[in-house]
Amino acid sequence: QQQVKQSPQSLIVQKGGIPIINCAYENTAFDYFPWYQQFPGKGPALLIAIRPDVSEKKEGRFTISFNKSAKQFSLHIMDSQPGDSATYFCAASNNAGNMLTFGGGTRLMVKP
Amino acid sequence: EPEVTQTPSHQVTQMGQEVILRCVPISNHLYFYWYRQILGQKVEFLVSFYNNEISEKSEIFDDQFSVERPDGSNFTLKIRSTKLEDSAMYFCASSEQGPGQPQHFGDGTRLSIL
Repeated sequence: QQQVKQSPQSLIVQKGGIPIINCAYENTAFDYFPWYQQFPGKGPALLIAIRPDVSEKKEGRFTISFNKSAKQFSLHIMDSQPGDSATYFCAASNNAGNMLTFGGGTRLMVKP
Repeated sequence: EPEVTQTPSHQVTQMGQEVILRCVPISNHLYFYWYRQILGQKVEFLVSFYNNEISEKSEIFDDQFSVERPDGSNFTLKIRSTKLEDSAMYFCASSEQGPGQPQHFGDGTRLSIL
């Protein structure tokens, strides 16, 4: 019940395309959902996060959509650029603890 | 921008030896964490630390592991009697506040057990 399932494992899009990465969870106590971007040899960098009281959050070219009833959330990257090529992780935690539960990651490649 | 720093970037150790991984969290942060990432797999939570004590730990964090904040700036992870399966990237993270708050990660220490 602690799992966060992420899909797809890998994704290739052309520059300007809109990659969409999806995550699903079971634990209804989760109430904080961050997305992290990781480049090779670097640590995960916080990209954007959402809480269940809103259905969408946008920061720059990155948008999170959240569906509480379906227990799913997704990351959309608008006007994707080759520099966005990285591994993206969704995660979740609940307000009773600090533990982030990560999804399995999506390796994104944006072709020029 | 303040960042979490980790040393060393790469540690090679013989099986059975003890290792200490070091982290300097962001200066005004109060909550500290260790995660690990085995090559090609997802990031896994090990432990969280607040007010000089462990606040939460996973099943992975058994008696082989310990954490310490020896002074006002460093946060360490000690692994005793290392095993081959301890080989992984170990990430330190910190947050200003507790549950449900942004956690900021360092660039990790690659631990290789021979």
